[in-house]
Amino acid sequence: GQQLNQSPQSMFIQEGEDVSMNCTSSSIFNTWLWYKQDPGEGPVLLIALYKAGELTSNGRLTAQFGITRKDSFLNISASIPSDVGIYFCAGLIIQGAQKLVFGQGTRLTINP
Amino acid sequence: EPEVTQTPSHQVTQMGQEVILRCVPISNHLYFYWYRQILGQKVEFLVSFYNNEISEKSEIFDDQFSVERPDGSNFTLKIRSTKLEDSAMYFCASSRGGWETQYFGPGTRLLVL
Repeated sequence: GQQLNQSPQSMFIQEGEDVSMNCTSSSIFNTWLWYKQDPGEGPVLLIALYKAGELTSNGRLTAQFGITRKDSFLNISASIPSDVGIYFCAGLIIQGAQKLVFGQGTRLTINP
Repeated sequence: EPEVTQTPSHQVTQMGQEVILRCVPISNHLYFYWYRQILGQKVEFLVSFYNNEISEKSEIFDDQFSVERPDGSNFTLKIRSTKLEDSAMYFCASSRGGWETQYFGPGTRLLVL
């Protein structure tokens, strides 16, 4: 089945540092999404990518959809304490039916 | 801003009991989903629902699971006879179109004892 490999699994950084995480897959996805999850909460959408090669920003967040539609990265610039959480990439498959395939998540911890 | 809501936020049940998890999707959305997340693991797809029928389900979604849209606003997940391994966070999601972004609810934490 389709799988997303997300790395790194965890990151420990200082406040103000930039962050980079990525997802790769052997499968092609139609859409890539990046979500953030706080403890005990549902995933909250950060960025949606619809076109191969697309580069999209949302404030301090920047994400790109790979040309091959098999990978994506998310960058966070100048991290702040509220960036702490788990970041998930998710690929959308729409052949037949629509379902999201999630990566394993990147747990971000920030030292003030 | 419209959002997906879920009730209850927490549910504790005895093994073998039936549970119904409820969701109110965003009002103009036509596609509805259930996902689950076992503690410390990734989010896993369970089922997608459109036009009053299941469009796809995963291997996890066996005969013990069912979904229903009993009225114009609610979308429910029923687990007929809960097992210990059903303990997880269950997330409802909805999207306007099948190819569009899915928005998640806050989840129901189910604990089966």
